[in-house]
Amino acid sequence: QVQLQQWGAGLLKPSETLSLTCAVYGELFSGYYWSWIRQPPGKGLEWLGEVTHSGRTNYNPSLKSRVTISVDTSQSQFSLKLSSVTAADTAVYYCARRTDYFDSRGASYYYMDVWGKGTKVTVSS
Amino acid sequence: EIVMTQSPATLSVSPGERATLSCRASQSVGSNLAWFQQKPGQAPRLLIYGGSTRVAGIPARFSGSGSGTDFTLTISSLQSEDFAVYFCQQYHNWPPFTFGPGTKVDI
Repeated sequence: QVQLQQWGAGLLKPSETLSLTCAVYGELFSGYYWSWIRQPPGKGLEWLGEVTHSGRTNYNPSLKSRVTISVDTSQSQFSLKLSSVTAADTAVYYCARRTDYFDSRGASYYYMDVWGKGTKVTVSS
Repeated sequence: EIVMTQSPATLSVSPGERATLSCRASQSVGSNLAWFQQKPGQAPRLLIYGGSTRVAGIPARFSGSGSGTDFTLTISSLQSEDFAVYFCQQYHNWPPFTFGPGTKVDI
């Protein structure tokens, strides 16, 4: 059974760089997109971006200038870096697996079906 | 970017009752919609994809319907473990994937 284990610094000062890593256990690393999603306190979910095992990335345009998602296939890990953080970046950050499924009728489905437990990140001076 | 909205923000129901949650997209997303359940302190859990396909292991009391811009998640008979926040998410046009703001189902 696939599990995602994530870790990283939980307290940052404004202007610092957020850095989180997510390790994948129990499943092939290839064949999926690996995502980062965040949730500010008491608010909804915001997708930040994703990466494949080959390093192909997609980013949320609203954060693209500050987000970098990278992959280490030798360790089955992927990482998030978010630069120049402010208090608005305070959130719980989740890593997740995106599964792409194509059925016999040709319909395609792209869903985030496995999630890490989340890492709380606070930005405060 | 496709904007997702959900209503109501909070739904107060009693155990055993039926709950109907709505999700609307700012433009058509076909059937490319997923529903998630999130309990306090936990990560979201995928319930439904393709607008109406339940994930393996999700009870049959959860059902999804709709296409285009309007979708519904129905919980036919609420159990105590169903009190949570429910999010919809579109995967029709990305980046970015976008989520609705959520509906809290409480007593």
